[in-house]
Amino acid sequence: GNSVTQMEGPVTLSEEAFLTINCTYTATGYPSLFWYVQYPGEGLQLLLKATKADDKGSNKGFEATYRKETTSFHLEKGSVQVSDSAVYFCALSDADSWGKFQFGAGTQVVVTP
Amino acid sequence: GAVVSQHPSWVICKSGTSVKIECRSLDFQATTMFWYRQFPKQSLMLMATSNEGSKATYEQGVEKDKFLINHASLTLSTLTVTSAHPEDSSFYICSARDWGTGSYEQYFGPGTRLTVT
Repeated sequence: GNSVTQMEGPVTLSEEAFLTINCTYTATGYPSLFWYVQYPGEGLQLLLKATKADDKGSNKGFEATYRKETTSFHLEKGSVQVSDSAVYFCALSDADSWGKFQFGAGTQVVVTP
Repeated sequence: GAVVSQHPSWVICKSGTSVKIECRSLDFQATTMFWYRQFPKQSLMLMATSNEGSKATYEQGVEKDKFLINHASLTLSTLTVTSAHPEDSSFYICSARDWGTGSYEQYFGPGTRLTVT
């Protein structure tokens, strides 16, 4: 079955530091890959997505590239802000799973001034 | 963009009572909606998949008689927690998929915090 593995948190960074959150996946089909962000007490917001190999998703300074050869979708941001403090979830979905999402465990990011 | 709302945002109920949570897609038709449960500092656990006009499909280990799901229209799905107990206290999140776009993207509601006393 499908699975998503992401690096454990919390990740604590200083403002303007470089952020990387690793995400690798296992899937039998050709999944779409997503990064969602969750702020305290809220639901999930789509951060970015990629639907096929070598696609790069980007939004709000965050980027992730769909690497089929390494089955990875690592999230990066060059200069984080305090407002980026949140929990980040990597997820995948494909036709084999009828659109159901497989989420990673989530990575908490804490950015300090 | 696509918006999904949930109501209520939080609810406190006494043990033994039932609670209904609504999930609405505000600007698109959602043929499929999903219900998740999230414990503190944990990931989302899929409870069931709800398709408009048909019975919900529950994940293994989820009690269908306890968590009643109804998807009566293309914009509304409801989750009823029957005979709630303190262990049902959790953060419940719904999401909706717009099949018309051909995308697997899900749009998430803001969540409902349920506390059973």
